[in-house]
Amino acid sequence: NAGVTQTPKFRVLKTGQSMTLLCAQDMNHEYMYWYRQDPGMGLRLIHYSVGEGTTAKGEVPDGYNVSRLKKQNFLLGLESAAPSQTSVYFCASSSLITGAYTEAFFGQGTRLTVV
Amino acid sequence: AQSVTQLGSHVSVSEGALVLLRCNYSSSVPPYLFWYVQYPNQGLQLLLKYTTGATLVKGINGFEAEFKKSETSFHLTKPSAHMSDAAEYFCAVTGSGAGSYQLTFGKGTKLSVIP
Repeated sequence: NAGVTQTPKFRVLKTGQSMTLLCAQDMNHEYMYWYRQDPGMGLRLIHYSVGEGTTAKGEVPDGYNVSRLKKQNFLLGLESAAPSQTSVYFCASSSLITGAYTEAFFGQGTRLTVV
Repeated sequence: AQSVTQLGSHVSVSEGALVLLRCNYSSSVPPYLFWYVQYPNQGLQLLLKYTTGATLVKGINGFEAEFKKSETSFHLTKPSAHMSDAAEYFCAVTGSGAGSYQLTFGKGTKLSVIP
């Protein structure tokens, strides 16, 4: 029963490098999200997707891009990493049942350090 | 637009004492409300949720929360704290209508339990 799986779990990048974080869910959920968590800031939404092939900006989208080519996968890209992007990144997914929102299920997080 | 305010970034209680974590929200539509718990170096786990119906909601690990529309509150309580309750707790809100799929989080409250 995998749920939401994030890879990698840890990564250290140098300033200016690029990387892609992968999120996979096996619950056939329509919605997927990327959040970042910083001390004292709670979770802030970066980008989200309401279905395959569609993405939208959240609260803090600058410096990130996303793609959802398959329903079960949601990728978060950093084209040119900056120290301000040092954070813990969480992917989540959720669904609608008869039009009612259901709770979000979270991955275990990716701890990214940009030096 | 919706927002969540959690009063107290850090709460300490003695083992066996009442746990009360406060959450107030603002939402332009009838809300769905959630409490999540995060243990160190882990993802977020759903404690309980309010969608419709009974305003007193029971969750896992003996926690419960009451939705009070007049006070725009959704405070989390547990009658007797246990050492294993030490974690960070997040309140979250989303709208209840179709298309209301963005989950907005509070900044979190870290609960310490003193033996």
